[in-house]
Amino acid sequence: GQNIDQPTEMTATEGAIVQINCTYQTSGFNGLFWYQQHAGEAPTFLSYNVLDGLEEKGRFSSFLSRSKGYSYLLLKELQMKDSASYLCAVRDLMDNYGQNFVFGPGTRLSVLP
Amino acid sequence: EPEVTQTPSHQVTQMGQEVILRCVPISNHLYFYWYRQILGQKVEFLVSFYNNEISEKSEIFDDQFSVERPDGSNFTLKIRSTKLEDSAMYFCASEARVPGRLDEQYFGPGTRLTVT
Repeated sequence: GQNIDQPTEMTATEGAIVQINCTYQTSGFNGLFWYQQHAGEAPTFLSYNVLDGLEEKGRFSSFLSRSKGYSYLLLKELQMKDSASYLCAVRDLMDNYGQNFVFGPGTRLSVLP
Repeated sequence: EPEVTQTPSHQVTQMGQEVILRCVPISNHLYFYWYRQILGQKVEFLVSFYNNEISEKSEIFDDQFSVERPDGSNFTLKIRSTKLEDSAMYFCASEARVPGRLDEQYFGPGTRLTVT
């Protein structure tokens, strides 16, 4: 089966650091992706991990532990514009040929002044 | 910067009618996808398309759905005989998928389909 879990909502203060967790159980694994989605808009790519460890990209970092089926997205120096939903998505190998993305339910982050 | 475009931005249709949602992927990309997102719910995979054929489809993508790449640029999703529960935002995405390298999907702005 395929299951991805994320907290539904989080709140943080402008300038702070927030960590959004994601746990997954999929039949295959070929990368974990993080997307940002503002209300009514399309998802936009933030970061991905294929191997275990931390990937840093400006104010955003993402961590992966494949053995634990766990990832987190770290957002530093939070800004008001970071208020959005953050989607964790796993690229799932299906029957060794097709691949598709399995999205989590998203975490709605509210950044307060 | 190249981007995925979708038309129309909003489509209203009556139950039982057919709709065609259009997408123009990024020109040098090879893989194309359709997703849907019912209001307030998660993004759901519908279908992936490569080399002029479907490479994967989900349980949602039943016989009422079809995809086509009628020319070198457009990628369409057809929904025959729409149902109320088809009301959702439909996103097209494309991906370069250079062999041996993991790549990201670029999403279009979406088409909001409302079935009445």
